[in-house]
Amino acid sequence: AQSVSQHNHHVILSEAASLELGCNYSYGGTVNLFWYVQYPGQHLQLLLKYFSGDPLVKGIKGFEAEFIKSKFSFNLRKPSVQWSDTAEYFCAVTFPYGNNRLAFGKGNQVVVIP
Amino acid sequence: GAVVSQHPSWVICKSGTSVKIECRSLDFQATTMFWYRQFPKQSLMLMATSNEGSKATYEQGVEKDKFLINHASLTLSTLTVTSAHPEDSSFYICSARDHGIQYFGPGTRLLVL
Repeated sequence: AQSVSQHNHHVILSEAASLELGCNYSYGGTVNLFWYVQYPGQHLQLLLKYFSGDPLVKGIKGFEAEFIKSKFSFNLRKPSVQWSDTAEYFCAVTFPYGNNRLAFGKGNQVVVIP
Repeated sequence: GAVVSQHPSWVICKSGTSVKIECRSLDFQATTMFWYRQFPKQSLMLMATSNEGSKATYEQGVEKDKFLINHASLTLSTLTVTSAHPEDSSFYICSARDHGIQYFGPGTRLLVL
């Protein structure tokens, strides 16, 4: 079955460090890709998305992600994190079936230490 | 971006009662809405897909008679937890789709005593 994988569920890093969160999916066809963020006590917000075109997409708050089709990956990056980036990050994929509903990864809990 | 609201934000009820949660798309129309359940420190689990004017599609293992979904208009979907029990206590989140992007509501925390 198609799935979305996120590794290293807990990530702890210091301010100004670089962040990279991995996301892989298992499906050989066309997909739409998303990263959502959930700040403590808040609802899920869209960070960035990829539908087509330039595989390097830029989102809000300095985040970017790169779609590498050959690796079935959509990794999220931020060159220099801030304390306010402490949140849970979810990778999500819509597959072209099942009403195009989102399939979520298990999430990465990111803690940035001031 | 598009805004999705939920009401109530939290509810406490006695075992055996029914609870209705509303999900609204505030600035767009959504033919498709989704209901999720989120357990502590876990990802979202899709419960059902709500289609305006037709029956909801439930995921495997979700009791459709227990979690009644109604999507009577393009901006409103409701989830009714019938005869709630303590094991139904959870965080329920709705989502509405606009131009291929799902926007999420703030969630409803349900506590069944």
